[in-house]
Amino acid sequence: DQQVKQNSPSLSVQEGRISILNCDYTNSMFDYFLWYKKYPAEGPTFLISISSIKDKNEDGRFTVFLNKSAKHLSLHIVPSQPGDSAVYFCAASGWGKFQFGAGTQVVVTP
Amino acid sequence: KAGVTQTPRYLIKTRGQQVTLSCSPISGHRSVSWYQQTPGQGLQFLFEYFSETQRNKGNFPGRFSGRQFSNSRSEMNVSTLELGDSALYLCASSLGQGADTGELFFGEGSRLTVL
Repeated sequence: DQQVKQNSPSLSVQEGRISILNCDYTNSMFDYFLWYKKYPAEGPTFLISISSIKDKNEDGRFTVFLNKSAKHLSLHIVPSQPGDSAVYFCAASGWGKFQFGAGTQVVVTP
Repeated sequence: KAGVTQTPRYLIKTRGQQVTLSCSPISGHRSVSWYQQTPGQGLQFLFEYFSETQRNKGNFPGRFSGRQFSNSRSEMNVSTLELGDSALYLCASSLGQGADTGELFFGEGSRLTVL
């Protein structure tokens, strides 16, 4: 059963603007969350992560926010750049489980 | 250091055949996990191996199997191929057991087409 959900299959954003990707999970045993980025014909690459003891983690243009009570996390990319066009996967892990969301295709337009 | 290597990169099979995919993890990594990616389905977990033992298994039929060797290299096998098995199969390695260490390093995948 799908316990990590990315409800937006695609997102289009203008270069320089903020991209916000959302992810929801249902299993409260998950305690570590990650975002992966995937270009066509390549494997996913790790982008940023957050532990359940934090509510925000920032790395350059990428910030991940975690709302444990809502079982929701989001990835903010600001400013968005053309090279950010890719599929972004949210993942959750904990207690022997590791699950990915279905992914969100981000297209950054000039 | 070298990344995760998957072979073959592309292959075409017909229904009923079987296929074996290979994965060499990053040197020193002992955990290898396999994922199936199909459009709209994201990355579906197949199984994870650590120290030659299967530690976790996803919800796939018994036609999907795998193993890990003493050098941490892993193979996955799909028997009696079906059209729906057409997908990108991704292998990922990590230092410890993937589910607990969190960060996985992926190979480029093996693209399987079943005709």
